[in-house]
Amino acid sequence: DAGVIQSPRHEVTEMGQEVTLRCKPISGHDYLFWYRQTMMRGLELLIYFNNNVPIDDSGMPEDRFSAKMPNASFSTLKIQPSEPRDSAVYFCASRLENNEQFFGPGTRLTVL
Amino acid sequence: AQSVAQPEDQVNVAEGNPLTVKCTYSVSGNPYLFWYVQYPNRGLQFLLKYITGDNLVKGSYGFEAEFNKSQTSFHLKKPSALVSDSALYFCAVRWRDKLIFGTGTRLQVFP
Repeated sequence: DAGVIQSPRHEVTEMGQEVTLRCKPISGHDYLFWYRQTMMRGLELLIYFNNNVPIDDSGMPEDRFSAKMPNASFSTLKIQPSEPRDSAVYFCASRLENNEQFFGPGTRLTVL
Repeated sequence: AQSVAQPEDQVNVAEGNPLTVKCTYSVSGNPYLFWYVQYPNRGLQFLLKYITGDNLVKGSYGFEAEFNKSQTSFHLKKPSALVSDSALYFCAVRWRDKLIFGTGTRLQVFP
């Protein structure tokens, strides 16, 4: 298996633009997580899905952030409009039932 | 409240010496505990986990961790450190489907 796949790996955009981050979980995994990592705040859980259904989005910082999982093999995290303080590394992770999580390589987002 | 504490921001150790990275936790019920490692510009990689059973858990790359229920600790250990072990290490506890991570400990192994 290729592991968790994220795209793009790097994204540079200007303030006010829409940003879409993509994630393909490991096949067969029923949980998917979106995290954000910054030096100041460390690793933050934004939202997670179970069987494609959003379970807990309490970590989503603002209404500018939204996430979807239209099917078991694809999820998106969208920021609209983006702001400089959204600059961070965004990780997607997946797991099967009660097993360990596997993380993707991350998307480094820079908002100018 | 559920939490994980990694009291050391950084641990320095000479190559060949034993290393310990400390972790304590607070969670209701039986804990599911994990260690992850993050190399520069990479995602987190799973090292080992404790679910139940033997208090000494062995994981990847020669790492092991000791679960101590009375001290609510889950310290990561390795008998002989390598320079290539230098990375950021995260302890985590599972609570209601989510992983609660510590703030991370940067391990520096000097030649």
